[in-house]
Amino acid sequence: DAGVIQSPRHEVTEMGQEVTLRCKPISGHDYLFWYRQTMMRGLELLIYFNNNVPIDDSGMPEDRFSAKMPNASFSTLKIQPSEPRDSAVYFCASSRFEQPQHFGDGTRLSIL
Amino acid sequence: SQKIEQNSEALNIQEGKTATLTCNYTNYSPAYLQWYRQDPGRGPVFLLLIRENEKEKRKERLKVTFDTTLKQSLFHITASQPADSATYLCALVGGGANNLFFGTGTRLTVIP
Repeated sequence: DAGVIQSPRHEVTEMGQEVTLRCKPISGHDYLFWYRQTMMRGLELLIYFNNNVPIDDSGMPEDRFSAKMPNASFSTLKIQPSEPRDSAVYFCASSRFEQPQHFGDGTRLSIL
Repeated sequence: SQKIEQNSEALNIQEGKTATLTCNYTNYSPAYLQWYRQDPGRGPVFLLLIRENEKEKRKERLKVTFDTTLKQSLFHITASQPADSATYLCALVGGGANNLFFGTGTRLTVIP
């Protein structure tokens, strides 16, 4: 059974560039979550979707961040333009209603 | 806003002993609480869920307690092994049905 798949695993880019992170949730899960993890702030929820619809994006730090879920099997998190302070590990997770979340192995993002 | 504190950033324990990790929260009354394990370079993995009407939950060598009066959960690993070395995160369900707020984690090291 395939878990949550994220790509790329690592991304290094220069400040000002557009960054797109991708996630494929577990089939049958109707909730999808994007998190950011840093040493200082731990694991923070950025946005979550239910049945492809964004429910709560209050954790998205700025307008530079956007997320989409065009269908049940794919989601993107985009940062444009990127800044050094966006450097972190970004996780995607999926779940069924009131069930534990299943996480991908994350994208380690470095903005130079 | 919700505040979740895990007792210490790091905990070292001798192999065979019981490790006890603490999760305290304020400004919230969650319906349930979850514990996750995270290994370096990997996403968190779900371990146990305990609901507000449950005092204790067990799974093999793991035990979780939930005291809604103290606003505290304890996570125990009995007969600890070096393979139990990891970061352990507690998480509380947020205002929505499924979104989680995570503590900053406790890094457990089991010394052979």
